[in-house]
Amino acid sequence: ETGVTQSPTHLIKTRGQQVTLRCSSQSGHNTVSWYQQALGQGPQFIFQYYREEENGRGNFPPRFSGLQFPNYSSELNVNALELDDSALYLCASSLTWDRTDTQYFGPGTRLTVL
Amino acid sequence: AQSVTQPDIHITVSEGASLELRCNYSYGATPYLFWYVQSPGQGLQLLLKYFSGDTLVQGIKGFEAEFKRSQSSFNLRKPSVHWSDAAEYFCAVEGTGNQFYFGTGTSLTVIP
Repeated sequence: ETGVTQSPTHLIKTRGQQVTLRCSSQSGHNTVSWYQQALGQGPQFIFQYYREEENGRGNFPPRFSGLQFPNYSSELNVNALELDDSALYLCASSLTWDRTDTQYFGPGTRLTVL
Repeated sequence: AQSVTQPDIHITVSEGASLELRCNYSYGATPYLFWYVQSPGQGLQLLLKYFSGDTLVQGIKGFEAEFKRSQSSFNLRKPSVHWSDAAEYFCAVEGTGNQFYFGTGTSLTVIP
């Protein structure tokens, strides 16, 4: 059984560009959540997808958007990148969105915006 | 509003010494509480979780945590620290909308 994987590992972009980050959930998991972890901070919830529908969203602007595919893999898209978007982006998958289901985190994508 | 406070930004302990990492939460209903560990360049690994029942929770790697509702705390403990325990530790509460609210983390250094 493979765990949660994310690609790419590292990414460098410039202000105003757009970026797409990818996440493959753990086998059998239909729920994916995305988090932003700025340097020296704890992760902050961006949004969650359950069976291809957005199932909750944190306090992030609309330029942060996502997709979940029929195989439950997911993408995080960020438009009009800003310097403050530089962070580690973590994705986590869980069996369902039930609160008792454990979230398993991937290793993250380190995004640097110049 | 849900929130988590980890008062200690950085802790240094000697190998073999005991460890306690503090966590205070704010949540209106019954909290679901978690401790995660993050090693450099790695994602978050779940150490333990509390949903209900016994307030003393056992986790992996010899860690335990105690839920104290009266103090709104969920402190993490380990009786004897190993050098491999050096990492960043995050406490989290699961709030409404299945959102996790994480603390800012405690960095643990273990000296020989």
